[in-house]
Amino acid sequence: AQSVSQHNHHVILSEAASLELGCNYSYGGTVNLFWYVQYPGQHLQLLLKYFSGDPLVKGIKGFEAEFIKSKFSFNLRKPSVQWSDTAEYFCAVTGSNSGYALNFGKGTSLLVTP
Amino acid sequence: GAGVSQSPRYKVTKRGQDVALRCDPISGHVSLYWYRQALGQGPEFLTYFNYEAQQDKSGLPNDRFSAERPEGSISTLTIQRTEQRDSAMYRCASSLAGISSSGNTIYFGEGSWLTVV
Repeated sequence: AQSVSQHNHHVILSEAASLELGCNYSYGGTVNLFWYVQYPGQHLQLLLKYFSGDPLVKGIKGFEAEFIKSKFSFNLRKPSVQWSDTAEYFCAVTGSNSGYALNFGKGTSLLVTP
Repeated sequence: GAGVSQSPRYKVTKRGQDVALRCDPISGHVSLYWYRQALGQGPEFLTYFNYEAQQDKSGLPNDRFSAERPEGSISTLTIQRTEQRDSAMYRCASSLAGISSSGNTIYFGEGSWLTVV
């Protein structure tokens, strides 16, 4: 079955700490990978996406993610988090076998403390 | 419009009533999607339109749920005979082209919170 797994449901970090949020997927065929963020009181926004090419993708606000095909992973990273990064983060995948559905993980809630 | 607009933002309804949720996508966007998100879960795909054609409705949970986009722009998601388990946030999204188009970006609205009491 096609699925997206985010292993960390709640993460608490101090400002300036490094961040890595895990995302693994189970899909057949070609995949497109996304990270979305939802800041408190706001709508879902695209952080970054991978379709093809360089597996290290850089997004907005200093975030990056690396597609490792052999590990079926697309982990999100940021070297130094800020208080303003407090938000919920969702990994999402579409695959050549999934039609039009963008399939999301359950999300990771990140709290950055001053 | 500047972004995807959804209304109402909040809706409380009694069990058994019908509810209609509206989505106004970004002007010119061909593709429109509906998602549902329960508390503690990620968004779950419901249905997809390409212009006015409903291309995929595999995510609609049962026949109480329906959606339309008659003129290829505004869409309405209708839930008939609502039940408490329908309580969730309903998200609409749109994109300039289809989901599989390289470089395509899906833009989400702020969502409609539905509570069935």
